[in-house]
Amino acid sequence: AQSVSQHNHHVILSEAASLELGCNYSYGGTVNLFWYVQYPGQHLQLLLKYFSGDPLVKGIKGFEAEFIKSKFSFNLRKPSVQWSDTAEYFCAVNAGNTPLVFGKGTRLSVIA
Amino acid sequence: NAGVTQTPKFRVLKTGQSMTLLCAQDMNHEYMYWYRQDPGMGLRLIHYSVGEGTTAKGEVPDGYNVSRLKKQNFLLGLESAAPSQTSVYFCASSYSLASGRRKFFGPGTRLTVL
Repeated sequence: AQSVSQHNHHVILSEAASLELGCNYSYGGTVNLFWYVQYPGQHLQLLLKYFSGDPLVKGIKGFEAEFIKSKFSFNLRKPSVQWSDTAEYFCAVNAGNTPLVFGKGTRLSVIA
Repeated sequence: NAGVTQTPKFRVLKTGQSMTLLCAQDMNHEYMYWYRQDPGMGLRLIHYSVGEGTTAKGEVPDGYNVSRLKKQNFLLGLESAAPSQTSVYFCASSYSLASGRRKFFGPGTRLTVL
């Protein structure tokens, strides 16, 4: 069965700092990878997804993620965070016809 | 399209009470899911359904039952609520489980069991 690890529980950054949130998964086959974001008081929204092709995926709001197959990783990045990026970020994975498995989430707090 | 809707948005139960959470989607999706979200635990799949009349267990199914009598609705039932079921519950739907198919999430239901 797949599993997803997000190593950072809570990340605190100043505005304009660069962001990288780690995501590692365990599964030997072909996977589909997702990053979801949950802003305070709101429901989950899809940030970006990867299922094939260019391993560098660009999503909404300036976010991107890179799939590194050899490292089983799909880290989320943003060059310069804003206060409005304060949210909880979830990495998720599925393979073939299986439901999504989510990581435990990383809470991002951006301070002015 | 309303997307995925959940009712109620908030609920407080006493231990031992029962209730049903309703999820509805108007996108003609085959697949529907119930997740619970707990601090430090992320999202965990409770049950899911791959079509009308079918359900399957997810990661944490104990204490919950589900039904998918109509394609557009997926009900999550708690027969005898316990404080451990205090959580935020999210419903989601998708065209399929397969690659690249995104899930659409509902706004969540915050349940407190006293």
